[in-house]
Amino acid sequence: GNSVTQMEGPVTLSEEAFLTINCTYTATGYPSLFWYVQYPGEGLQLLLKATKADDKGSNKGFEATYRKETTSFHLEKGSVQVSDSAVYFCALVSGGSYIPTFGRGTSLIVHP
Amino acid sequence: GAGVSQSPSNKVTEKGKDVELRCDPISGHTALYWYRQSLGQGLEFLIYFQGNSAPDKSGLPSDRFSAERTGGSVSTLTIQRTQQEDSAVYLCASSFNVLRGGETQYFGPGTRLLVL
Repeated sequence: GNSVTQMEGPVTLSEEAFLTINCTYTATGYPSLFWYVQYPGEGLQLLLKATKADDKGSNKGFEATYRKETTSFHLEKGSVQVSDSAVYFCALVSGGSYIPTFGRGTSLIVHP
Repeated sequence: GAGVSQSPSNKVTEKGKDVELRCDPISGHTALYWYRQSLGQGLEFLIYFQGNSAPDKSGLPSDRFSAERTGGSVSTLTIQRTQQEDSAVYLCASSFNVLRGGETQYFGPGTRLLVL
């Protein structure tokens, strides 16, 4: 079956630090890959996505590249802000299923 | 424009009682998903609807859980005879169509259920 593995959190950084949150996956077919963000007390919202190998998704300074050879979709940001503090979820939808598979989420805490 | 809304936002109930959770999807979205998010856990898929039909109910944890959708719009998730392990945040999401080829889901804020 499909699965998504994210790095354990929490990740604690100082403002303006570089962020990487690792995400690897196993899937049948050619999945679409997503990063969702959940701010405190809110539902999830799409951060970025990529639908085929070597695609790069980007939004709000965050980037992730779909790496088929390493089955990865790591999230990066060059300079985090306190307002980026949230829980980040990696997810996939495989071509044969309409049901997404989510990782367990990684909590990011950014200190001033 | 209006996003996905859920009600109630918080629900406290006693063990053994029934609860109903409501989801109003974005207008025009044909697909609707229910998830459960327990403390420190990821999202657990429960059920999805395409229109008013639920092609996949495999994620429902037990026969105490049921869901329906009427008019291709509002959905209700019902938990009968609630147990303490049902305490969680229940999230609803909608999308223009079923998820394929990168379709985006739009989530509601969730209903926080606490069973005492």
